[in-house]
Amino acid sequence: DAGVIQSPRHEVTEMGQEVTLRCKPISGHNSLFWYRQTMMRGLELLIYFNNNVPIDDSGMPEDRFSAKMPNASFSTLKIQPSEPRDSAVYFCASRNQEQRGQPQHFGDGTRLSIL
Amino acid sequence: AQTVTQSQPEMSVQEAETVTLSCTYDTSESDYYLFWYKQPPSRQMILVIRQEAYKQQNATENRFSVNFQKAAKSFSLKISDSQLGDAAMYFCAYRNYGGSQGNLIFGKGTKLSVKP
Repeated sequence: DAGVIQSPRHEVTEMGQEVTLRCKPISGHNSLFWYRQTMMRGLELLIYFNNNVPIDDSGMPEDRFSAKMPNASFSTLKIQPSEPRDSAVYFCASRNQEQRGQPQHFGDGTRLSIL
Repeated sequence: AQTVTQSQPEMSVQEAETVTLSCTYDTSESDYYLFWYKQPPSRQMILVIRQEAYKQQNATENRFSVNFQKAAKSFSLKISDSQLGDAAMYFCAYRNYGGSQGNLIFGKGTKLSVKP
């Protein structure tokens, strides 16, 4: 079975540019999570969706960040405009909410570098 | 709010020896899940082991086992017969049992080195 698929794997762009990160969850999973990993703050939840609906976006740093889940098989995390402090590894994870004990399955992450 | 604390930023173990990584957490919930994830240099997040709080028996997965002390809110990971491939960052994580809160709360991680 295919796991969680994230793209791109690496992204390098200049400050001020728009960045879009993409995620395809595992088929049948109805919860999707976006996390950010930095040396200073570790792994932090940005936002998560249940059945394509955003449930908790309190971790989204500011209005420059937005996330969408137009259907059960695709989600995007957009940063506009990007800043150097947004440089981090961004992970997407998914799970089936109905299976209480099921762990989250992570994608391989996107390493984002803002110059 | 729940918190997870890993007090050992770095640990080292000799190959074939045993090492224990510490994790404590804070919650007012009685039912929840605890996890250990491994992150090698490839940066994948790999599930190592999980524990349901309502189960008193400690979880075991091959060379990996946990010491779950619910009253003390402690969840340590023991790696037996350490192998070079065990070298990685290890993250302890907490998740509420039910409702719509399915997100993980992570500790800051412990970097494990394995010496040949």
